[in-house]
Order: sequence, then structure tokens, then C-alpha cells
Amino acid sequence: AQKITQTQPGMFVQEKEAVTLDCTYDTSDQSYGLFWYKQPSSGEMIFLIYQGSYDEQNATEGRYSLNFQKARKSANLVISASQLGDSAMYFCAMRGNSGNTPLVFGKGTRLSVIA
Amino acid sequence: NAGVMQNPRHLVRRRGQEARLRCSPMKGHSHVYWYRQLPEEGLKFMVYLQKENIIDESGMPKERFSAEFPKEGPSILRIQQVVRGDSAAYFCASSPRGGGPSNQPQHFGDGTRLSIL
Repeated sequence: AQKITQTQPGMFVQEKEAVTLDCTYDTSDQSYGLFWYKQPSSGEMIFLIYQGSYDEQNATEGRYSLNFQKARKSANLVISASQLGDSAMYFCAMRGNSGNTPLVFGKGTRLSVIA
Repeated sequence: NAGVMQNPRHLVRRRGQEARLRCSPMKGHSHVYWYRQLPEEGLKFMVYLQKENIIDESGMPKERFSAEFPKEGPSILRIQQVVRGDSAAYFCASSPRGGGPSNQPQHFGDGTRLSIL
């Protein structure tokens, strides 16, 4: 079974500062994928970034980067130069490599960016 | 360039009524997943379907809930005899193919917010 743990229910960050959202995972799969999604107050789920378990480099997408530490089973999301529009819920998720398996989500972290 | 389309966006039902939630996957996608999100929670998997087949329904409650993805038309999540505890946001996601690498992100619809009076 797979499990995602997000230990920060809420985080505050000053505008233009960087912030790290924590995510740890547990799986017995050798190959798996890790994802981060953003859910603004309007409710939609927006895909941000992906990291494969065999990827040697940390994923980056614009202001988002994923700090992947496989031995620690952590996949933290780093948002640089925070903007007011980054205020949202952020969900870490994973899936195994056994067919088109569904995503397993953490409980999320609510990020508030302060002007 | 339509993404995953879900309707209705909001649905209000009285206890005991039926709720039907619809999901049209992205063009070219043949796999549909349904998830439920309770308030202040993450999404929880309910059911995974391909056209005309249920592949995995391990997250679906055994009673009152059913899902289908017919050859023509959208996928339907059906909840019979709704109760207050069914109030949640229901999300549909689609992906383009079965099997293969785990790096296929699932593209989500905007969700249906179901409220039970």
C-alpha cells in the first residue's frame, strides 16, 4: 500500500520569499511517480510538477522545484519568489508503476502568501 | 482544447434522492478515475474505468454507489438514496493510456460539489 504524509496543515510565507512544503511517502514499489497539485479556493486541481523515482535530477518547472531525497522517502515542493496568487492548498500525491494506477494523495498544506 | 469536463459544477439533493455526476475525459483519453474530497481532506480514489469496463472499484462504497463509462457518452458516477455524509467534492480525472510509465499526470476536471440537504 502507498501512503503520503504532509505534516504541515498550514504555512505562511512573505511575498517574494521561498517556501518549502514537506511531503514524505511510503511504498513497496520499486518504480513510482510523485506529483504535486495546487488547489486554489475556486476548487480546481492544477498539476504542478512530477518526479520519477529513477530520475537522478530534481524536477523543476518555472518557480516550482521538487527536492527529492529517495533514501529519506521525501519529495518536498519548493516555491521560489512567492506570489499572492500562490495562496492555495497544495497536495502531494504518488502512484506506482503497476499499470495505470490511481493517485494516492496526502491531506494537503494550506499556503498563505502575505504581502 | 477542452480539458476534462464535469457537470454539474454544483448539485443539491435532498436525503433519499439520487445524484448523477457526469465526466467527459480529455479528447483522446480512454481512462477515467473518480475521486472524492471531503472538507479539509485530500482526494481519495473511488473507481477507475476504461470504456465499458470497470478496472478497479476498490475505493467505491459497496452500497448506493455505482459508476459506468459507456462506449458513447460521458462517464457517470451515480449515488442512490443520498445521505448527508455523501456531501463532498467529486473529481474526475482522465489519462491517455493504460499501463506504461507512472509519469502520466492525471488531468482533473473542476469537480462537482454535492450538497445534501
